[in-house]
Amino acid sequence: RKEVEQDPGPFNVPEGATVAFNCTYSNSASQSFFWYRQDCRKEPKLLMSVYSSGNEDGRFTAQLNRASQYISLLIRDSKLSDSATYLCVVNGQGFGNEKLTFGTGTRLTIIP
Amino acid sequence: GAGVSQTPSNKVTEKGKYVELRCDPISGHTALYWYRQSLGQGPEFLIYFQGTGAADDSGLPNDRFFAVRPEGSVSTLKIQRTERGDSAVYLCASSLFRRENTGELFFGEGSRLTVL
Repeated sequence: RKEVEQDPGPFNVPEGATVAFNCTYSNSASQSFFWYRQDCRKEPKLLMSVYSSGNEDGRFTAQLNRASQYISLLIRDSKLSDSATYLCVVNGQGFGNEKLTFGTGTRLTIIP
Repeated sequence: GAGVSQTPSNKVTEKGKYVELRCDPISGHTALYWYRQSLGQGPEFLIYFQGTGAADDSGLPNDRFFAVRPEGSVSTLKIQRTERGDSAVYLCASSLFRRENTGELFFGEGSRLTVL
């Protein structure tokens, strides 16, 4: 079983719609969780951290369910510029080590 | 520039050849990471440096892969006797060493390696 599993998509969603991605992780001792965004043929960039209490950044909402070991990302009022691959990321290390384990990514295309 | 710089951006080589990929991290970042990304996959961890030493090299696939960071800044990933399966984008990232993990790695644009 992969450490981090995501539905690779692609998700083709009309502009303005709401879209949600889920991701599961296998290591129950994982410490911290993140979503990264990767545009086509570009480097990954941190989108947001994921906290147990859930957190929001504008149109983006991230949630963590430790009991079920899954992470979600919700995008509201999607824009054309949201088209990208979204990588679910887990850190199972102790503090000070940012060794991240990435999922395969979910590809999102927003359709005008 | 202020970001992570990787050279070359593209490298085409023949099977069996030796390759070096260079990474120049963000100034002041003590932590440096190498990842490898194949088509349709997420980045896969290779090695992590804290300063000059390799703190975690558990991701290196075999002894053909080696990385150094002699002065705690620039790092070189070295691949001996390249194989077609080594073809991928090799990503370098750097970060500050913090007490709490922020997950914020700053990636370079990568070196695309093609082994013919």
